[in-house]
Amino acid sequence: GQQVMQIPQYQHVQEGEDFTTYCNSSTTLSNIQWYKQRPGGHPVFLIQLVKSGEVKKQKRLTFQFGEAKKNSSLHITATQTTDVGTYFCAGYSPGAGSYQLTFGKGTKLSVIP
Amino acid sequence: DTGVSQDPRHKITKRGQNVTFRCDPISEHNRLYWYRQTLGQGPEFLTYFQNEAQLEKSRLLSDRFSAERPKGSFSTLEIQRTEQGDSAMYLCASSLGDLGNTEAFFGQGTRLTVV
Repeated sequence: GQQVMQIPQYQHVQEGEDFTTYCNSSTTLSNIQWYKQRPGGHPVFLIQLVKSGEVKKQKRLTFQFGEAKKNSSLHITATQTTDVGTYFCAGYSPGAGSYQLTFGKGTKLSVIP
Repeated sequence: DTGVSQDPRHKITKRGQNVTFRCDPISEHNRLYWYRQTLGQGPEFLTYFQNEAQLEKSRLLSDRFSAERPKGSFSTLEIQRTEQGDSAMYLCASSLGDLGNTEAFFGQGTRLTVV
């Protein structure tokens, strides 16, 4: 079945440093979604990428979808303590009648003030 | 609150007991998903409903697990003869249409502890 791998598993940064998490799928995706889960919270949707090579920005967050639609990245510029949490990518590939998101294991971001 | 609601938030049960969780999706959402999340892992898909029809079940879902969505509104997830390995956060999510076009909205989850 489809697998989504995410690295690194943990990242500790000083406040103001940049942060990047990478996501790779074993299969070509229809789209990829990114979610953020705060400590003790539930996953909250950040963005969806659909097109090959797509780049989207949300303030300090930049999301990319690879040309082959098998990999993606999330980059945060100048991290803040409010960025703390676990960032998950989730691949959507509705081939063979599967209509669910496959999540990576997430990257847990800690920001040291 | 118009988000996804799950009940109870926490459940402690003895091994071998049955437990049932409830999920109330966002009212107009026709698609409902159950996921399980353990510490340090991403959510793992369990099952998916479109309206009242259960259209997909993960191989993770053993015979002890059953889910329903009568009338296409709320859903229940029952675990029979619980085992310690069932301890996890059970997340419900809903969406308005296909996840190819929209996002999933997650509830706060039900944390199950089997002792």
